[in-house]
Amino acid sequence: NAGVMQNPRHLVRRRGQEARLRCSPMKGHSHVYWYRQLPEEGLKFMVYLQKENIIDESGMPKERFSAEFPKEGPSILRIQQVVRGDSAAYFCASSPRWEATNEKLFFGSGTQLSVL
Amino acid sequence: GENVGLHLPTLSVQEGDNSIINCAYSNSASDYFIWYKQESGKGPQFIIDIRSNMDKRQGQRVTVLLNKTVKHLSLQIAATQPGDSAVYFCAAGANNLFFGTGTRLTVIP
Repeated sequence: NAGVMQNPRHLVRRRGQEARLRCSPMKGHSHVYWYRQLPEEGLKFMVYLQKENIIDESGMPKERFSAEFPKEGPSILRIQQVVRGDSAAYFCASSPRWEATNEKLFFGSGTQLSVL
Repeated sequence: GENVGLHLPTLSVQEGDNSIINCAYSNSASDYFIWYKQESGKGPQFIIDIRSNMDKRQGQRVTVLLNKTVKHLSLQIAATQPGDSAVYFCAAGANNLFFGTGTRLTVIP
């Protein structure tokens, strides 16, 4: 009965490298959300995906950031050419469905990205 | 979108006392509200939620109050314990959840 699994737990990259963050939702959940958290700040919505579809990416930076949730496998948040300002904790959450009213989200433990 | 703020960045309470954490939201279209607890180095953990057709909801030692007129949400923790020390986030939304900055609750033994 595993929860939302994120890996790696910590990721260190040098400026200009690529960062790939993975998220496996809870069993039976087909909706994935990515949030970003800076120190002493709240969670900022980035993107909401269903299997093979991006539903809302209004919180994603226009450049360098992309997300996918393929039919098979985990959801991936990809950051190209990382800069120091990308350093943050990235949290993934999942929910079983999305109806007219929201369902509560179950969060993973996050990936702490550090850009040197 | 939604602007969700918290009135106090920090709150210290004596063990055994009740805690009240407040939150304001801006979008009157928000119809779902939720409180999360986040301990250091961990992901947010669900505490309690409430929908806009309710004013109050109770859980185990926690109560959430919703005042839609003034767009205000509060979390009450009864008989606060040291294990309650954490950062508490409220979130509000309709199709997406928008999180506030958080209130750091410190319980003094």
